[in-house]
Amino acid sequence: KQEVTQIPAALSVPEGENLVLNCSFTDSAIYNLQWFRQDPGKGLTSLLLIQSSQREQTSGRLNASLDKSSGRSTLYIAASQPGDSATYLCAVSRTSGTYKYIFGTGTRLKVLA
Amino acid sequence: SAVISQKPSRDICQRGTSLTIQCQVDSQVTMMFWYRQQPGQSLTLIATANQGSEATYESGFVIDKFPISRPNLTFSTLTVSNMSPEDSSIYLCSVVLGPIEQFFGPGTRLTVL
Repeated sequence: KQEVTQIPAALSVPEGENLVLNCSFTDSAIYNLQWFRQDPGKGLTSLLLIQSSQREQTSGRLNASLDKSSGRSTLYIAASQPGDSATYLCAVSRTSGTYKYIFGTGTRLKVLA
Repeated sequence: SAVISQKPSRDICQRGTSLTIQCQVDSQVTMMFWYRQQPGQSLTLIATANQGSEATYESGFVIDKFPISRPNLTFSTLTVSNMSPEDSSIYLCSVVLGPIEQFFGPGTRLTVL
C-alpha cells in the first residue's frame, strides 16, 4: 500500500529564505507526482506536475524534483515571501490507467515578514 | 486548467440529516473525483464519479452513506447521508485534465452538530 510522507510537518522561516520541502513515497511505481498549495479553509491550487519520465519542473520561484528510485520529491522555494504561507501537499498517482491520487501529510509553511 | 465551483461553500447541519454538495465544471471532463479532508488531516479519496454509471467507491466508503450522481460531463453531486459529527470535514471535487494534472474545486466546509 502506497504511503506518502512529508517532512517537516511545519516550518517557520523569515522572509527571503530559500527552503526545501520533502515528500517521500513507499512504492516507486508511480505515474506522476503533483505538488499543491492549500490556503486555510480553501481548496487546492496546483503548483507543479512531474510526469514519471521527468526529473524536475520549474515555475517561477518554485522548482520540484523527482527521484523515483529513491522514492523522493523535493519542492524548492526561492526567496520566500509572506504570501507563500500555506500548507503544501504532494500527491502521487499510480501507474497509467488510473488517475487516483494518494496525498501526503502536508507541510504547514509560515513565512514571517 | 478548469474553473470548478462548488455549492454550498459551507454549511452547518444537524445530526441525522443529509446534505447534497454540487460540483460544476466549466468544460466537459471525463475524470471527476470526490475527496474528504478531515480536520487537520490530508485528503482521502471517497469515490470516482462516473458519467452514466454508478460511482466507484474506495475502501471504507459506501454508496448508502455517500451517494453520488454524475448526470453529464460537467456536473456531479455528492450527498452526505445521515450525518454525524464525524462527518465534519471539507469535501472537495476534482477533475483531471491534460497530462493527468488534477484540479480542485474550492471545497465545501461541513460542520455537523
